[in-house]
Amino acid sequence: GNSVTQMEGPVTLSEEAFLTINCTYTATGYPSLFWYVQYPGEGLQLLLKATKADDKGSNKGFEATYRKETTSFHLEKGSVQVSDSAVYFCALMKPGGSYIPTFGRGTSLIVHP
Amino acid sequence: GAGVSQSPRYKVAKRGQDVALRCDPISGHVSLFWYQQALGQGPEFLTYFQNEAQLDKSGLPSDRFFAERPEGSVSTLKIQRTQQEDSAVYLCASSLDLRLAGNTGELFFGEGSRLTVL
Repeated sequence: GNSVTQMEGPVTLSEEAFLTINCTYTATGYPSLFWYVQYPGEGLQLLLKATKADDKGSNKGFEATYRKETTSFHLEKGSVQVSDSAVYFCALMKPGGSYIPTFGRGTSLIVHP
Repeated sequence: GAGVSQSPRYKVAKRGQDVALRCDPISGHVSLFWYQQALGQGPEFLTYFQNEAQLDKSGLPSDRFFAERPEGSVSTLKIQRTQQEDSAVYLCASSLDLRLAGNTGELFFGEGSRLTVL
């Protein structure tokens, strides 16, 4: 079945540091890939997405590239801010399949001033 | 309202009690999902509705769990005879029809209902 594997957290960084959160997936065919973010006390919200190989999703300075050859969708940001502290979830969905999004376990990011 | 609304936000139940969790999706959203999120884990799929039809309930952990969406809008997740292992945050998410070509696949989540079973 479909699955998503994320690096374990927490990831602790100083402000303006470079961020990478790894995500790899298992699925047949060509799933759509997503990153969701959950800020403290809030619901999950979509951060960015990519629907086909080599697509790059980007939003709020975050980027992720859909790598079919390595089945990966790593999240990156060049310079993190304290306000980026949150839990980040990688997810996939198979269009034409079950349409049920599958989520990773989440990676907590803590950014210190 | 503008977003997905869930109630109650917090529920404490004694073991063996029945609970009902409500989800009010975004108006016009055809697809509705329930997920269970244990502490420190990601959302785990429970069940999926397309309008009033429950298309997939393969994630419901036992026959104590029941979900309905009778008019294709508000949905209720009911847990009978609660057990301690049911303690979790229950997330509801809605979306436009995911089967339509061009749908972005984005889910819109509520803030969740945190259930604690003593």
